[in-house]
Amino acid sequence: NAGVTQTPKFQVLKTGQSMTLQCAQDMNHEYMSWYRQDPGMGLRLIHYSVGAGITDQGEVPNGYNVSRSTTEDFPLRLLSAAPSQTSVYFCASSNHREWNGYTFGSGTRLTVV
Amino acid sequence: GENVEQHPSTLSVQEGDSAVIKCTYSDSASNYFPWYKQELGKGPQLIIDIRSNVGEKKDQRIAVTLNKTAKHFSLHITETQPEDSAVYFCAASSSASKIIFGSGTRLSIRP
Repeated sequence: NAGVTQTPKFQVLKTGQSMTLQCAQDMNHEYMSWYRQDPGMGLRLIHYSVGAGITDQGEVPNGYNVSRSTTEDFPLRLLSAAPSQTSVYFCASSNHREWNGYTFGSGTRLTVV
Repeated sequence: GENVEQHPSTLSVQEGDSAVIKCTYSDSASNYFPWYKQELGKGPQLIIDIRSNVGEKKDQRIAVTLNKTAKHFSLHITETQPEDSAVYFCAASSSASKIIFGSGTRLSIRP
């Protein structure tokens, strides 16, 4: 049982480039979300999904897109990378019907130069 | 908006002593309060949680207390060990889509 798997672990982008951060879970969780973690600011919600085909914005959605075509996968797309998007990104999943906390992935450290 | 305040932001304790981290929440609808431990280079990991119908919960050396009237909840770690060094996050939530995290406490255990 792998839990939540994120790839890549590290990435360096140039300003204006686009990329997709991958997230997959094998626990049949309905709920998946993306957070960014910046020093002194804790975890901030970017986008979330309550099931396949359903997504919604979180606290800091600008510059990011998501889609949820399957229960297992929830990719995060950066459309045109900016230095302000330098951060550590975490994907998380949970059982929506019986809410008992998130399972987090190990994170992607992104640097935009 | 709703928020969760966490204190202290950094905490250093002697190995074997106890550590206490406190959080205050504002959303009265919150009924689930998880605590996460994040080690360097890793994702947050759930270590203990408490629901609003319970005042205290223990799991070996860690315990969490909840005061719903005051909207306070705390994490207590006894007999601290070097492997307890990490960043700890509290959170308050009413559902999977409504969870607010505290800003974290960096705990260091001095040998």
